[in-house]
Amino acid sequence: GAVVSQHPSRVICKSGTSVKIECRSLDFQATTMFWYRQFPKQSLMLMATSNEGSKATYEQGVEKDKFLINHASLTLSTLTVTSAHPEDSSFYICSARVTGGVPLHFGNGTRLTVT
Amino acid sequence: GQQLNQSPQSMFIQEGEDVSMNCTSSSIFNTWLWYKQDPGEGPVLLIALYKAGELTSNGRLTAQFGITRKDSFLNISASIPSDVGIYFCAGLVGNEKLTFGTGTRLTIIP
Repeated sequence: GAVVSQHPSRVICKSGTSVKIECRSLDFQATTMFWYRQFPKQSLMLMATSNEGSKATYEQGVEKDKFLINHASLTLSTLTVTSAHPEDSSFYICSARVTGGVPLHFGNGTRLTVT
Repeated sequence: GQQLNQSPQSMFIQEGEDVSMNCTSSSIFNTWLWYKQDPGEGPVLLIALYKAGELTSNGRLTAQFGITRKDSFLNISASIPSDVGIYFCAGLVGNEKLTFGTGTRLTIIP
């Protein structure tokens, strides 16, 4: 079945630094990927929709200059958290969609801790 | 963003019991999905429902797409320890982004 790989699974960084998270579709091409954030004991909240070859679409309240998304190929999207602060500590999860399909496949998430 | 209302918020059951949870929305969805999330991992798809009234099973799991298209339920029969986790419903309009439910945390009491 379709597999989505996310890397790294855990990252700890100091306040003010930037962190890059990768999301890869391993056995299918994904023209669209989605980035979610999940705080403890809460549901997944969509941050942005990443489209291959074009700019990402951000949800209301998500700062596009802070959460940089690049979807340079049909199998890779990256989320960069710039100038991270402790309040950015969260579980970030990506989802990828087979072209024309329903977004079904999720990565295993990245636990970001900003100290 | 918008969230779907899921109930109950948490459940404490004994092994072997049946489980039922549901999801309601004020909006219509064209697709309902049910996911399970284990701690520290991403959600895993359990069942996908594409048509109003559809009843679909996956092993001990059964889910239905409500006729009004504003609700869905998930049943788990004869629960086992590995059923522990958080269950999320998700709704979809067209092929765009998912809207997730608030989650149901299932705990099995020994």
